Parts: sequence; C-alpha cells; structure tokens
Amino acid sequence: AQSVTQPDIHITVSEGASLELRCNYSYGATPYLFWYVQSPGQGLQLLLKYFSGDTLVQGIKGFEAEFKRSQSSFNLRKPSVHWSDAAEYFCAVGAEGGGADGLTFGKGTHLIIQP
Amino acid sequence: GAGVSQSPSNKVTEKGKDVELRCDPISGHTALYWYRQRLGQGLEFLIYFQGNSAPDKSGLPSDRFSAERTGESVSTLTIQRTQQEDSAVYLCASSRTRGAYEQYFGPGTRLTVT
Repeated sequence: AQSVTQPDIHITVSEGASLELRCNYSYGATPYLFWYVQSPGQGLQLLLKYFSGDTLVQGIKGFEAEFKRSQSSFNLRKPSVHWSDAAEYFCAVGAEGGGADGLTFGKGTHLIIQP
Repeated sequence: GAGVSQSPSNKVTEKGKDVELRCDPISGHTALYWYRQRLGQGLEFLIYFQGNSAPDKSGLPSDRFSAERTGESVSTLTIQRTQQEDSAVYLCASSRTRGAYEQYFGPGTRLTVT
C-alpha cells in the first residue's frame, strides 16, 4: 500500500528566508505526487503536481518541488517565504491510472512564519 | 465555473442523531471523493464515485457511514447514530475523471458531535 511521510510536524521560518518541506513516499510503481496547501478555515489548494517528465516542477505562489526517485522524495521549496505562506502543507501520492483509494496524504507540516 | 461547494459549512449535532453532508462537484467532473480530516491529522480517504457508482466502500469507517451520488452531480454523505469520534472536517473533492488527476477540494463541513 502506498504511504506518505512528512517528517516535520512544525517548521518555523523567518520571513524572506528560504523554505524546504520534506516529503517521502512509498509506492511500488510510478507515483503521481502532489503538494496541497490548507489555510485556516479553507479547503485544500493544489500547489503543484508531478506526473512524469522533468523532475523539477513549478507551482503557484513561487513554489517548486523536485522528484527524486532514488530517494523516494518530493520536497517542496520556496526561495523566499512571505507571511501569507503560513499554513498547513500536505504532500500526497496517487496511483498511476487511478484507483479506488483516492489520494494518500501525509499528516501535514504546519508552517509558521516569523517576522 | 464555480468550484466544489459543500453544505453545511458547520454542523453541531447530538450524539446518536443522523447527519447528512452535501457536496456539489465542479460541473463536468465525473469523479468525486470524500475525505475525513480529524483535528491535527492528514486526510483520510473514505470513498470515491465514478459517475454515480462507488466501486469500493471499504474506506468507510463503519456501517453507520453511507454515501450516494445522483448522476454526475450532487453527493451526500450520511452518518447515522453519530458518535463523538465522528467529529471532524469532511472534505469533498472532484476531478475531471477517475484517476490520480488533480483533485479540487471544497471548503469542507466541520462536524461536531456533542
């Protein structure tokens, strides 16, 4: 069965500093990988996705993520964070071709931005 | 068009009562998913529909949970005889078709069982 691990429950970053959120997945075949952001009281918004091709994917709001098959990782990065980036971030994996089990999500990383 | 909508946004109910949660997917999206998010947790997949068919209901937490969908539109998630452990945010998502294509999420229904 597929699984996603986000090792950091909380991360605190100063405004303007760079950010990297870690995500490791376990899946036997080619994974479809996603990063979602959830602001307080809001639904989930898709930041970016990886299906195939270039392993460095660009998303919205200045985020990017790199798929590393050898490390089973899909870490999210941003060169310079803004206070509005404070939110909960979820990494998710889906099965190629779909399946009855939807997306498997990590438990999330809570990002705190210090002024 | 409009995004995924869910109603109600908040629901407080007494233990033992039944509740019905509604999801309106994005028009034209054939696949619809229900997830549960407990406080401080990630999302737990419950069930998905392709059209109005739900091939696998094994993700539903108990037989008190049921879901149905009318055609390729509205879906309802029903929880009978609610328990306190059912308290969570219930999120609905839709995607263009079945598969791990990007899913678009609604704002959720926050259910509190007292």
